[in-house]
Amino acid sequence: EPEVTQTPSHQVTQMGQEVILRCVPISNHLYFYWYRQILGQKVEFLVSFYNNEISEKSEIFDDQFSVERPDGSNFTLKIRSTKLEDSAMYFCASRVHSGEEQFFGPGTRLTVL
Amino acid sequence: ELKVEQNPLFLSMQEGKNYTIYCNYSTTSDRLYWYRQDPGKSLESLFVLLSNGAVKQEGRLMASLDTKARLSTLHITAAVHDLSATYFCAVDRSQGAQKLVFGQGTRLTINP
Repeated sequence: EPEVTQTPSHQVTQMGQEVILRCVPISNHLYFYWYRQILGQKVEFLVSFYNNEISEKSEIFDDQFSVERPDGSNFTLKIRSTKLEDSAMYFCASRVHSGEEQFFGPGTRLTVL
Repeated sequence: ELKVEQNPLFLSMQEGKNYTIYCNYSTTSDRLYWYRQDPGKSLESLFVLLSNGAVKQEGRLMASLDTKARLSTLHITAAVHDLSATYFCAVDRSQGAQKLVFGQGTRLTINP
């Protein structure tokens, strides 16, 4: 059964460093999402991406964040200058088309020291 | 702004007992989802509820949706230890980006 994959599973970085989190959505899916979950808290929407552009972003998704679909299979989330409060689990999700369920990847745990 | 509230946030139960988790949402929504999350793991989809009066059951879990009351329930029957996890409800709308808005989660602990 196709699934969303994410790499790395755990990323440790120093404050101020750039990180790139990678996701491979399910191959025929057209809508892509990033969510984050701070430890012990609820899952929060960051950004949605469709037709090679951002369709919606949350207040959390400030200028330090960017997304890209560089090669038709990967979907990346870049944080330019990480802060301590960026430490969280980051989930990628995709859906095949409008009205269908989102499928979540296993997540990347980001730890900023 | 769409808001989703769950209660209770923490629930400790004995095996064999029944209990219900409640999920209220603030504005009209097209779909409601229930997810299970084990510690450090991803979100496992349990149920997708699409219409008023929808009821779905899987094993000891049953979910229902009342769109008029903007309320969904997740009922646990004769709980077993393996059901210990955090349960999230989430809603989205068919317009726009269709982002999911999650509740705070209910941390369920089932004691032998």
